[in-house]
Amino acid sequence: NAGVMQNPRHLVRRRGQEARLRCSPMKGHSHVYWYRQLPEEGLKFMVYLQKENIIDESGMPKERFSAEFPKEGPSILRIQQVVRGDSAAYFCASSTGARGNGYTFGSGTRLTVV
Amino acid sequence: SQQGEEDPQALSIQEGENATMNCSYKTSINNLQWYRQNSGRGLVHLILIRSNEREKHSGRLRVTLDTSKKSSSLLITASRAADTASYFCATLNAGGTSYGKLTFGQGTILTVHP
Repeated sequence: NAGVMQNPRHLVRRRGQEARLRCSPMKGHSHVYWYRQLPEEGLKFMVYLQKENIIDESGMPKERFSAEFPKEGPSILRIQQVVRGDSAAYFCASSTGARGNGYTFGSGTRLTVV
Repeated sequence: SQQGEEDPQALSIQEGENATMNCSYKTSINNLQWYRQNSGRGLVHLILIRSNEREKHSGRLRVTLDTSKKSSSLLITASRAADTASYFCATLNAGGTSYGKLTFGQGTILTVHP
């Protein structure tokens, strides 16, 4: 039981480049959530996905950000044309979908835009 | 202002003392969860309390929930230096389109001095 796996742990991108963050949920979990954490702040919800479906993307910026959770493979959070303000820690969590259960978080990807 | 606000923002105590952190929220919830985050790391789920529960224990942790006041408290008894971390409350709203989405507070930074 490897838990929620995120990679890379650290990612440095120049302004204008693309960032791809990956998340493999826990075994048996079909629900994936992405959160962003700015320095000294709490986590902010971005998007909630199930396999091949986006359930709630209300927290994701309309431009440059996209997320997917394909039938096979990890969930991907993609940020195009990154800007310095995108620098943050991005966390993925997974769950079974049952509302009475806590979520399991990955260790996060720390994105630095230079 | 956001759902799930903790106070105090920072708490500094000596080993062996108890630490109490409070969380307030604004909407009707399905459950409230507490998470711990060590500096630069991911979140670890500590405890979940459902909206129909008033108190829950797990080891040295005690969580209370007062839905009439929309508030919760986390008590860590007999604190240890290893408890030093940030603690976040997160709420799962009751029903609606926010299903699955956790709303986090800003967190309380706990420092336990040996």
